[in-house]
Amino acid sequence: QQQVKQSPQSLIVQKGGISIINCAYENTAFDYFPWYQQFPGKGPALLIAIRPDVSEKKEGRFTISFNKSAKQFSLHIMDSQPGDSATYFCAASRGNNNDMRFGAGTRLTVKP
Amino acid sequence: NAGVTQTPKFQVLKTGQSMTLQCAQDMNHEYMSWYRQDPGMGLRLIHYSVGAGITDQGEVPNGYNVSRSTTEDFPLRLLSAAPSQTSVYFCASSYWVADSYEQYFGPGTRLTVT
Repeated sequence: QQQVKQSPQSLIVQKGGISIINCAYENTAFDYFPWYQQFPGKGPALLIAIRPDVSEKKEGRFTISFNKSAKQFSLHIMDSQPGDSATYFCAASRGNNNDMRFGAGTRLTVKP
Repeated sequence: NAGVTQTPKFQVLKTGQSMTLQCAQDMNHEYMSWYRQDPGMGLRLIHYSVGAGITDQGEVPNGYNVSRSTTEDFPLRLLSAAPSQTSVYFCASSYWVADSYEQYFGPGTRLTVT
C-alpha cells in the first residue's frame, strides 16, 4: 500500500498551459515533500521541495502548493513547454534521514 | 566528477542465480540508497545507508543485501534471483544542505530474471 498517492497517472497539456499534479499522504510524521522529474532512460532528478511550515514554494515556472490540514500537496507547472514532457514523482520523508516514499508517478506530455 | 555510477547497465539472470549490482559515488555524500522502479509503482526504497558501516532496511528489503564498507561504494546483492525482482534499479547518493535534501540518482540497471 503506497504511503503517497499521486494523480493523475498521465496528463496531456497544450504548450503554454498549466500542468497540475496532485499528491496525498497519510503519515503526519512526514515533514519533507520533494518533487522529482525523470526523462526516459535516466534517473530521477530533484525539481523542487517543500517543508510543511510553508504553504507555497515557487522556483521559476514550478510551484508547490501544500495543504497541511488536507495532507495534500501539488505541483503546478506554468507555461508548460514540450521540454517539460517527462514523468514526475512526488515523495515524502520524515526527519533528516533518507527513508523516502514515492508516489506512482505522472507521465506528462506537453503538445506543441 | 562522475557523480553516481552504476554497473552493469543491463543484466539477465536465471531464477536462483545471485549477483551484485555495483554503485559508486565520488561526491563524498554520507547517504546512499537503493530503489527499484516498477511500472505504476513509482520508486520503492530497498535499503539505505547513512554512512560507512551503517545500513538500514527500506520499504521492500526482502531478497536483497547491502553493505557499506566505504563512503564511495554501496553494492546491492541479490541472494537468489526471482522473476519478481525483474525491475530497474537505481542507486542514489544524497546529503542535506540547509533545508533541502539533495539526492542524485545513477543511470539505473535494468535487470531481467527469467
